[in-house]
Amino acid sequence: RKEVEQDPGPFNVPEGATVAFNCTYSNSASQSFFWYRQDCRKEPKLLMSVYSSGNEDGRFTAQLNRASQYISLLIRDSKLSDSATYLCVVNIDNFNKFYFGSGTKLNVKP
Amino acid sequence: NAGVTQTPKFQVLKTGQSMTLQCAQDMNHNSMYWYRQDPGMGLRLIYYSASEGTTDKGEVPNGYNVSRLNKREFSLRLESAAPSQTSVYFCASRSGGAYEQYFGPGTRLTVT
Repeated sequence: RKEVEQDPGPFNVPEGATVAFNCTYSNSASQSFFWYRQDCRKEPKLLMSVYSSGNEDGRFTAQLNRASQYISLLIRDSKLSDSATYLCVVNIDNFNKFYFGSGTKLNVKP
Repeated sequence: NAGVTQTPKFQVLKTGQSMTLQCAQDMNHNSMYWYRQDPGMGLRLIYYSASEGTTDKGEVPNGYNVSRLNKREFSLRLESAAPSQTSVYFCASRSGGAYEQYFGPGTRLTVT
């Protein structure tokens, strides 16, 4: 069983739409959670960390549900520039082993 | 600051050949990582180094060796390349006190 699972998509949405992705993790001892963004053929870059209380950064909101073992990412007012693959990342135990989901692809259309 | 740099950017090997992928960071980070990314699989950790002088296996270490040459440099060696090692390899680094990993641009390796 994979440590982190994501719907690969693609999610095709018009500009201005709100879109949400979920990610589930299997290890209840997971400690830290992140969303990374990866553009085509580029390296991943941190989008935001996910805190227990939830957190917001502009148009992006991340939530953690420990009881159901999933994290979510909500993007409001989608822009063309939001088109990318979004990677869910979970850290277990010692902050040196990070497990990546396979990513959810988002296409924002004009 | 260059951040994390990787060489080479592209490489084609024949089965059985060996090579070393180089990675360097100029952010004075303690931890460094090697991942591979295959279609539909996400990034998988090959090896990591929590600090200079230490290395540990990740999820998929078989067929690879690493060296943490100094605080800046962390190399990945394929002793006898196999077609199953065709992948994109990313190096990353992280400061000890923060969780964000900074990635290099990747090395695209094809083994024929």
